[in-house]
Amino acid sequence: KQEVTQIPAALSVPEGENLVLNCSFTDSAIYNLQWFRQDPGKGLTSLLLIQSSQREQTSGRLNASLDKSSGRSTLYIAASQPGDSATYLCAVPQGGKLIFGQGTELSVKP
Amino acid sequence: DTAVSQTPKYLVTQMGNDKSIKCEQNLGHDTMYWYKQDSKKFLKIMFSYNNKELIINETVPNRFSPKSPDKAHLNLHINSLELGDSAVYFCASSQSGSDSPLHFGNGTRLTVT
Repeated sequence: KQEVTQIPAALSVPEGENLVLNCSFTDSAIYNLQWFRQDPGKGLTSLLLIQSSQREQTSGRLNASLDKSSGRSTLYIAASQPGDSATYLCAVPQGGKLIFGQGTELSVKP
Repeated sequence: DTAVSQTPKYLVTQMGNDKSIKCEQNLGHDTMYWYKQDSKKFLKIMFSYNNKELIINETVPNRFSPKSPDKAHLNLHINSLELGDSAVYFCASSQSGSDSPLHFGNGTRLTVT
């Protein structure tokens, strides 16, 4: 059974810092991994999708990496801004559904 | 022009009542989902429909009955509401057979008193 864990559960940083969010999964037989952002009172917005054949994927200040063999993914946010404050979730597919981690709640202080 | 829209946004009701949440997507996707997010923000799938056919039913009590009149709509009806049903319910859609990301609605916050 696939389990997805995200550490830390919460993170507070000053504006401008580079930061890394971690995601680990127990079953490495995945064909992709997605990172989502959730703002308070809103749904999830897909940020990046990494195929199993890829090592990383970039979008603007975001860079996601995937190491299937170790069951890990990281989301790197460069030069963080207050607008980056949100909950970040990773998810992997299994049996036609996505298995989500519990998220990292990020707060970027001005 | 919201891609996945669900109504209502908030729903407050008493135990024992029956309520429905509606969802529509205009992305042309063939697969729709209902997810439940509990108070600890843990997001878990409830149902998945592909082209109006139920393909995932994740051990959800039979008080929950999804209905898909067409592939653009997936509604959720809940009978005999219980306190433990209080959560945020998210509708989502995707295109099967591809690696397209999941698109979520903004959620329906259900509070059962």
